[in-house]
Amino acid sequence: AQKVTQAQTEISVVEKEDVTLDCVYETRDTTYYLFWYKQPPSGELVFLIRRNSFDEQNEISGRYSWNFQKSTSSFNFTITASQVVDSAVYFCALSEAGGSEKLVFGKGTKLTVNP
Amino acid sequence: GAGVSQSPSNKVTEKGKDVELRCDPISGHTALYWYRQSLGQGLEFLIYFQGNSAPDKSGLPSDRFSAERTGGSVSTLTIQRTQQEDSAVYLCASSPSPGQRPNTQYFGPGTRLTVL
Repeated sequence: AQKVTQAQTEISVVEKEDVTLDCVYETRDTTYYLFWYKQPPSGELVFLIRRNSFDEQNEISGRYSWNFQKSTSSFNFTITASQVVDSAVYFCALSEAGGSEKLVFGKGTKLTVNP
Repeated sequence: GAGVSQSPSNKVTEKGKDVELRCDPISGHTALYWYRQSLGQGLEFLIYFQGNSAPDKSGLPSDRFSAERTGGSVSTLTIQRTQQEDSAVYLCASSPSPGQRPNTQYFGPGTRLTVL
């Protein structure tokens, strides 16, 4: 069965600090996909990134970076030099290849960036 | 281009009434998903449509929940005899198609359902 664990329920930082959001997943499939979504106070889920299980290259996009490690079943998300606009709930999700590829979500991490 | 749209944005109903929630996916997306977001259960998959294939209904919590997708586009989620535990935000997502790359689900703004 698929499972995604985001152990950090809430994180509070001061602007310009770096912050890492943890995500650990479980799956029996060898081909799967990992995602991060952002849910700002407005409520809409915004897609941030998608990784394939066969591609362990880390990725950087501006202030965002992602560290995918199959050996530890982790897909962590780091925000560098955080800003107030980064305040949101962040969800990590997993889907298995084939079939519906429905998303299984973690419980989310609420990030508050204080000025 | 236009994203996923959902209506209504908010719905307040009385226990026992039926409700219909609408989703209009991104044009050209063949896959459509419904999820539910509630405080206690987080984000849960409800149902999936892909073209003319039989839907995957494995996430529907009870037989009071049903959904249809007409013409491969707009979808309606119906909840009959609503209960207070049905109160949640109902999210719709669409994607190009599982099996196509990239396959990423894009979400609508959701419908907040409150059952009194």
